[in-house]
Amino acid sequence: GAVVSQHPSWVICKSGTSVKIECRSLDFQATTMFWYRQFPKQSLMLMATSNEGSKATYEQGVEKDKFLINHASLTLSTLTVTSAHPEDSSFYICSARPSGGYNEQFFGPGTRLTVL
Amino acid sequence: AQTVTQSQPEMSVQEAETVTLSCTYDTSESDYYLFWYKQPPSRQMILVIRQEAYKQQNATENRFSVNFQKAAKSFSLKISDSQLGDAAMYFCAYTYSNSGYALNFGKGTSLLVTP
Repeated sequence: GAVVSQHPSWVICKSGTSVKIECRSLDFQATTMFWYRQFPKQSLMLMATSNEGSKATYEQGVEKDKFLINHASLTLSTLTVTSAHPEDSSFYICSARPSGGYNEQFFGPGTRLTVL
Repeated sequence: AQTVTQSQPEMSVQEAETVTLSCTYDTSESDYYLFWYKQPPSRQMILVIRQEAYKQQNATENRFSVNFQKAAKSFSLKISDSQLGDAAMYFCAYTYSNSGYALNFGKGTSLLVTP
């Protein structure tokens, strides 16, 4: 149990285009999902917290107009990188926290984004 | 601000030996949780062990155990009988209820296991 999927697993796009990454909790409902970014040889940095049915909370320094997050259901959150640039190339990881006050979160396998 | 510090960028251990990875954290919260995650080359985050701050007893999971020193704000991970499959990045992480349980990660320790 507690499986989280991400799609796509990798994507290459041209500079200026938008890319959508999906995060799904497959066997549980997740009121809260988190989006992290990991640059090569670095740690995971929290980008935003996504709560079902409400606006995401972004960390300081993360542009909310550039990284659009939608959490329309209890099993799906999406991250859209708008007008992507080469500096947005990174590994994006989502995690989902089961509903019901559970304090553990389960991670997706990540999405590698390369912007040319 | 809550911070997590891992002072060992790299560690090496021989197969079957024991290694300890260090982690310290800073917080003013009373209700918090600490985790060790493993990230192998696949980059899938794998939970190794967790510790609730209110529990005095150190958590153990098979070959993995922690030394939780609450007053010193220290949370080290001990890996016993190291195996080749233990080679990975290890991240110490902290969370608390008022953050919505978002994780704050340390910079990580790269563990090399030699035959």
